[in-house]
Amino acid sequence: DGGITQSPKYLFRKEGQNVTLSCEQNLNHDAMYWYRQDPGQGLRLIYYSQIVNDFQKGDIAEGYSVSREKKESFPLTVTSAQKNPTAFYLCASSRGGYTFGSGTRLTVV
Amino acid sequence: ELKVEQNPLFLSMQEGKNYTIYCNYSTTSDRLYWYRQDPGKSLESLFVLLSNGAVKQEGRLMASLDTKARLSTLHITAAVHDLSATYFCAVGQGAQKLVFGQGTRLTINP
Repeated sequence: DGGITQSPKYLFRKEGQNVTLSCEQNLNHDAMYWYRQDPGQGLRLIYYSQIVNDFQKGDIAEGYSVSREKKESFPLTVTSAQKNPTAFYLCASSRGGYTFGSGTRLTVV
Repeated sequence: ELKVEQNPLFLSMQEGKNYTIYCNYSTTSDRLYWYRQDPGKSLESLFVLLSNGAVKQEGRLMASLDTKARLSTLHITAAVHDLSATYFCAVGQGAQKLVFGQGTRLTINP
């Protein structure tokens, strides 16, 4: 079955550490997105990519980086520059409609 | 800049009652989405509304779109406990981006 797979489901980050969240899709969608969700709030766009080897900053890109080397994959790195990374991260892909992954919950320890 | 506002943000209602969630947006868009999110889970797509006057229904949920008023509504008919969740509207910006509302946390009490 086609879909989006995010891993890991839970991730713990130490102060000053970079961590990478994985997002893989087998839907053959061109566009992929990363959103951040804080408790009790809506989703905010971090980065998006419409084609391979190209991506754009969203509304809250500071402290994050991405790559899009393959159509199927859009990993997100949360760098040490992101001072408040604890949140729920959702990846999505689209070709017309949007499909969301199951999310990664990142906690700073 | 596109802004999307939902109200109410919190809604507690009894089973069997009807209610409406409102979604206002600030600039012209050609598509609007409604999603459901259960606690700790991902987003489940409910409706996609693409034209003025569009109305879609699924079970006890009905969504409508008025592009002239920049307003969408999600109407709940004869609510049941299983509909308890957080509901988000999202509005398309440009070719591919979505801007989300803050979400409406709906609690349905027996």
